[in-house]
Amino acid sequence: DVKVTQSSRYLVKRTGEKVFLECVQDMDHENMFWYRQDPGLGLRLIYFSYDVKMKEKGDIPEGYSVSREKKERFSLILESASTNQTSMYLCASSPKLAGEQFFGPGTRLTVL
Amino acid sequence: GENVEQHPSTLSVQEGDSAVIKCTYSDSASNYFPWYKQELGKRPQLIIDIRSNVGEKKDQRIAVTLNKTAKHFSLHITETQPEDSAVYFCAASRGTSYDKVIFGPGTSLSVIP
Repeated sequence: DVKVTQSSRYLVKRTGEKVFLECVQDMDHENMFWYRQDPGLGLRLIYFSYDVKMKEKGDIPEGYSVSREKKERFSLILESASTNQTSMYLCASSPKLAGEQFFGPGTRLTVL
Repeated sequence: GENVEQHPSTLSVQEGDSAVIKCTYSDSASNYFPWYKQELGKRPQLIIDIRSNVGEKKDQRIAVTLNKTAKHFSLHITETQPEDSAVYFCAASRGTSYDKVIFGPGTSLSVIP
């Protein structure tokens, strides 16, 4: 079974803090993704990576950065957290971009 | 860029009835269309997908139809059961290397026992 794990289920941070969200997959997938999920807006892509050290902007990259130093790990970084970044963050991986994506359990981030 | 619209946003059906969710996409080059189901408090999971070389695909009680000319595709669930209650997301992609999948906003389906 594919397993995608995220470092935290719930996280509370203060405005201006630097926040790290980590995602790890154990199936040797080339591709990894970060989404945020907000009611009525579906899953919006923040960044994705199709190889180690490679990254591509998604639809809403502003205020975020990513890091992929190892194939199994994809980190999302909020350089200076703001209240409008309060959301559910979902990580996913897939063996190829146009194939099934396997999602992690999500991190619910609250920025106060 | 690609835009995926999904209707309705909420849907309530009686147990045993059918449910239909419709999606439209804007990029005529899209050729891969997955559907994901997300139960309350859980992660999204793929339930069925279709590629542009076929017009319909079935898997037990669920089916997906694709009309490439009209750029729309639909999810059909027959004989609905309470465990079908969830949020369903459609998505579209060009299906080529390095191409992203764009999700619709989701449909919240409630099956009333």
